[in-house]
Amino acid sequence: QVQLQESGPGLVKPSQTLSLTCTVSGGSISSADYYWTWIRQPPGKGLEWIGNIYYSGSTYYNPSLKSRVIMSVDMSKNEFSLRLTSVTAADTAVYYCSRVSMIQRYNWFDPWGQGTLVTVSS
Amino acid sequence: EIVMTQSPATLSVSPGERATLSCRASQSVDSNLAWYQQKPGQAPRLLVYGASTRATGIPARFSGSGSGTEFTLTISSLQSEDFAIYYCQQYDDWPPLTFGGGTKVEIK
Repeated sequence: QVQLQESGPGLVKPSQTLSLTCTVSGGSISSADYYWTWIRQPPGKGLEWIGNIYYSGSTYYNPSLKSRVIMSVDMSKNEFSLRLTSVTAADTAVYYCSRVSMIQRYNWFDPWGQGTLVTVSS
Repeated sequence: EIVMTQSPATLSVSPGERATLSCRASQSVDSNLAWYQQKPGQAPRLLVYGASTRATGIPARFSGSGSGTEFTLTISSLQSEDFAIYYCQQYDDWPPLTFGGGTKVEIK
C-alpha cells in the first residue's frame, strides 16, 4: 500500500524559507486519481490544511497561506515538495504529507506520513 | 470558509463505556465529512468518511452519523487504545479543506 515519508530541516531561521519533501512509495505520484497534500499541526494545537498538488502541477492552496506557499512535484523521484517563505515562529509545527482523492466529494486524507517537526527559531 | 466546531473539547470516559463526540459545521456539508483519530506522537488516522462509512480496518465499535451541519462519532465500548484526540474534517466546499478543533477522549 502507499506510504509517505516527510524529510527536511528541523530548524529554520525566521524570515527564511521552509523546504520539505514527501517521498511516496508503493504507488505512483503520477496517478490520475489523487492529489498530494500538506497539512500542519502546531504543537498542542489542531490540524491546518496547507494545500494540494496534482501530478500535472496544478495546485490548490489554503487562502490563509497562499501568498507564501509553493508546492511542486518531481515525478522522476516520485516525490512532492513544500516551500513556505518568510517563516515566523507561528509556522513552527509538525508537517504531514498525505494523499487525497481528486474526485469531488471524496476529499478525505489517507494515508498520512509520520510527520516532521519544523521549528522556526534563530 | 466552512468552520467546523467540535464538542466537548475533552471527554472523560471509563473503559467499556460509550463515548459520543459532536461536530458542527457552519453551513451544510451534506455527508461530506470525515473523522480521524490521533494518538500522542502519531499522525492522524482515517476512521470514517462520508459521515458514516468506516475506513478499512476500523473496528465496528466506531460509528459515524449525521448530515447537513450536525455530526456524531460514537465509540460504543471504549477500549484502552481508543483514548486519543478525534478530529472531524469537511470536504464539501473547498478550498480550504477544514478541520474541527478536536475532542480529547481521556480516561475517567
